[in-house]
Amino acid sequence: TQLLEQSPQFLSIQEGENLTVYCNSSSVFSSLQWYRQEPGEGPVLLVTVVTGGEVKKLKRLTFQFGDARKDSSLHITAAQPGDTGLYLCAGEGFGNNDMRFGAGTRLTVKP
Amino acid sequence: GAGVSQTPSNKVTEKGKYVELRCDPISGHTALYWYRQSLGQGPEFLIYFQGTGAADDSGLPNDRFFAVRPEGSVSTLKIQRTERGDSAVYLCASSLMTFSGANVLTFGAGSRLTVL
Repeated sequence: TQLLEQSPQFLSIQEGENLTVYCNSSSVFSSLQWYRQEPGEGPVLLVTVVTGGEVKKLKRLTFQFGDARKDSSLHITAAQPGDTGLYLCAGEGFGNNDMRFGAGTRLTVKP
Repeated sequence: GAGVSQTPSNKVTEKGKYVELRCDPISGHTALYWYRQSLGQGPEFLIYFQGTGAADDSGLPNDRFFAVRPEGSVSTLKIQRTERGDSAVYLCASSLMTFSGANVLTFGAGSRLTVL
């Protein structure tokens, strides 16, 4: 059983479309992070959200941390083929620095 | 080096053999994590070190798996009597623990283990 549930598992869209992927849990986290992973490489950090209700923007990517610190979403505007990859969310526990990952959303953006 | 280095990048072994995977973290990073990632899945937590000690080893699947970090820098993940189900990419990450902000992990490229 995954501590963090990500949805959808797979997403295939056309270039220029918008999309949202979700990360949900019954646990409360001190912070939640989003990573992107490409084949043959380790995950690379995109953003960290720390405060409940926090919204962060990174160019065409918008990240939100739920008020209860149990869930998060990643919205991509005008997706591009270069956005293709595995998007992973990871939650950090309180006081223990454990970092647990969801199963990921595999995004394909077709030109 | 500037990043997290993992060796070997690929390891093919036979069922029942012993395997060691090495992780060289970013210099000065106090925390080190090991994860296992199967095809199409997210990283599965195995163990993490704070300095030389294992702060949480609850993710190690059984007693065939063991990890050490004797000097608080390089870590070795050891797998005894390998089984085909151990085949996966083993990822290592390090982080610099701070008292402000969140814990940010920097990953290596992984060691791909194939057990025949």
